[in-house]
Amino acid sequence: LAKTTQPISMDSYEGQEVNITCSHNNIATNDYITWYQQFPSQGPRFIIQGYKTKVTNEVASLFIPADRKSSTLSLPRVSLSDTAVYYCLVGTFSGAGSYQLTFGKGTKLSVIP
Amino acid sequence: DAGVIQSPRHEVTEMGQEVTLRCKPISGHDYLFWYRQTMMRGLELLIYFNNNVPIDDSGMPEDRFSAKMPNASFSTLKIQPSEPRDSAVYFCASRKTGGGTEAFFGQGTRLTVV
Repeated sequence: LAKTTQPISMDSYEGQEVNITCSHNNIATNDYITWYQQFPSQGPRFIIQGYKTKVTNEVASLFIPADRKSSTLSLPRVSLSDTAVYYCLVGTFSGAGSYQLTFGKGTKLSVIP
Repeated sequence: DAGVIQSPRHEVTEMGQEVTLRCKPISGHDYLFWYRQTMMRGLELLIYFNNNVPIDDSGMPEDRFSAKMPNASFSTLKIQPSEPRDSAVYFCASRKTGGGTEAFFGQGTRLTVV
């Protein structure tokens, strides 16, 4: 399973754009990059998934360089409600229902008023 | 859909007692996962099912833990006998084939073994 490395914590002021980078040097050809968000006392919530280049949805953008050895989750204009732990996962569902996704330590984002 | 439903939300039990956690996945989802979360170890995958069949239980810590999925709409995680080190938040999640890597998590069950 590809191992991921991301900062333990980050602070940001309200209204700023936040970029959280994740390293995954041994990503495999079939692996996808997925980000989850977790608020205290809640289960993780899927944010975004990508394979290469850039993916954008109503919540965030995901930037993946050509070598795919890292990825950056971009949160535009964060608010206090974006304070959470953000997890980067690398893996996929391979054949015969096999699941290859592992949660790391995550990045604790604190948004400051 | 109401999402993944777990019960109970909180459970306090004495060491040695049997504990059963319950999960109702989202209708139509064919994957079900059980995770455990602690401060020390983070989120750990315990076991997952595909079409009600256990696929990988290598994350189950020991024989005291067992999980079943008798049908597509119900799963249980049982700990017998429970120990204080089992105290954690247990999450159930479900996913449907073709849904990419997106899984939907329940609110979790906070288990305290005293």
